Amino acid sequence: GENVEQHPSTLSVQEGDSAVIKCTYSDSASNYFPWYKQELGKGPQLIIDIRSNVGEKKDQRIAVTLNKTAKHFSLHITETQPEDSAVYFCAASINTGNQFYFGTGTSLTVIP
Amino acid sequence: GAVVSQHPSWVICKSGTSVKIECRSLDFQATTMFWYRQFPKQSLMLMATSNEGSKATYEQGVEKDKFLINHASLTLSTLTVTSAHPEDSSFYICTSGTSAETQYFGPGTRLLVL
Repeated sequence: GENVEQHPSTLSVQEGDSAVIKCTYSDSASNYFPWYKQELGKGPQLIIDIRSNVGEKKDQRIAVTLNKTAKHFSLHITETQPEDSAVYFCAASINTGNQFYFGTGTSLTVIP
Repeated sequence: GAVVSQHPSWVICKSGTSVKIECRSLDFQATTMFWYRQFPKQSLMLMATSNEGSKATYEQGVEKDKFLINHASLTLSTLTVTSAHPEDSSFYICTSGTSAETQYFGPGTRLLVL
């Protein structure tokens, strides 16, 4: 099955700096890669996603890049704010189904 | 508004009892729903795929006799944790949707087994 790895597990940045979280996946059949933000006690919330036929996608301060050849994708948050502090999960979905395989999560702390 | 609901939002039970968690799709018919489990400070792990009108498909390592899944209608899937033990305490989340891009997460059910 699919195996998704995520780094780093924890990340602290100063407010206004950028944060980058990286994920790798193992199954070349994966073709959809969402990123989720999870706040304490709540379910994951989709923040951005990318399909395998696209190399980069941006939504305001958030961007995702995908390298299909290397099987890795990254989340970039610019001009970080304290409210960006949360746990972020990457995920991969294989072409044959709509289930997700999640990375191990990154706890992001933005220091005011 | 929410398109996938879960009930209950949290439950405390005694060891050895069974607990049923419901997942409902509110605005669409769901032939497939997915059940995930998240232990504290860990990632979400896919447990099983719930298929309307047929048997669920379980991920490797998930006991199908312990985690009973029933998907009797196009809007409801239930997960029953049978003979629950403290190690089953976790956050259980369902998702459903018509495609990978439109998978909606339920709000989750927090289970505490004493």
